[in-house]
Amino acid sequence: DIQMTQSPSTLSASVGDRVTITCRASQSLNRWLAWYQQKSGKAPKLLIYTASTLESGVPSRFSGSGSGTEFTLTISSLQPDDFATYFCQQFNSYPLTFGGGTKVEV
Amino acid sequence: EVQVVESGGGLVKPGGSLRLSCAASGFTFSSYTMNWVRQAPGKGLEWVSSISTASTTYLYYADSVKGRFTISRDNSKNSVFLQMNSLGVEDTAVYYCARGGALVGPTVFDSWGQGTLVTVSS
Repeated sequence: DIQMTQSPSTLSASVGDRVTITCRASQSLNRWLAWYQQKSGKAPKLLIYTASTLESGVPSRFSGSGSGTEFTLTISSLQPDDFATYFCQQFNSYPLTFGGGTKVEV
Repeated sequence: EVQVVESGGGLVKPGGSLRLSCAASGFTFSSYTMNWVRQAPGKGLEWVSSISTASTTYLYYADSVKGRFTISRDNSKNSVFLQMNSLGVEDTAVYYCARGGALVGPTVFDSWGQGTLVTVSS
């Protein structure tokens, strides 16, 4: 199984900050990686797939990069609506696996 | 608008069974892989199971549920199901139904339901 490791697990930031979250895979994913945002008590929302493709309707302040085993999610200027937990997910092979999550808090 | 709505969660005793349902609308259901993902209270996301499209039906399960859970779909009713047997306390979680891709193979989850809570407790 492919293990996904996210860092940091918690991130303290302020509105307007540039935020970067890292996701590392235990083996190469090529670019088969997605990012999700989850707010408290809500279902996750797909933000980015194939490492850098923005899902329709997602603000352009979100971006993804990377390939192989190391990937990043960047929020260029943090907005109040962005305080949430972010998960990465590999879809290179079954079983599908998620990172442990990064909580972005004030 | 794509919508998926789960139902069937509830309180069940250890060793018991439960069947979750997911009703989909707003897209050509038979053309998409459908999935179950769960989240234990205060924990991260765990993929549970996937069922591929009608034309070529493949079933995939996480090791943690293999042999106990069965995924199925009824394309005439735009629905996917998760039959859960031999439930243990470790299965307590919110279970999400999520739409996958239109191709065979590993997928992302682009539309999610609101989730249904399964609590396994004596």
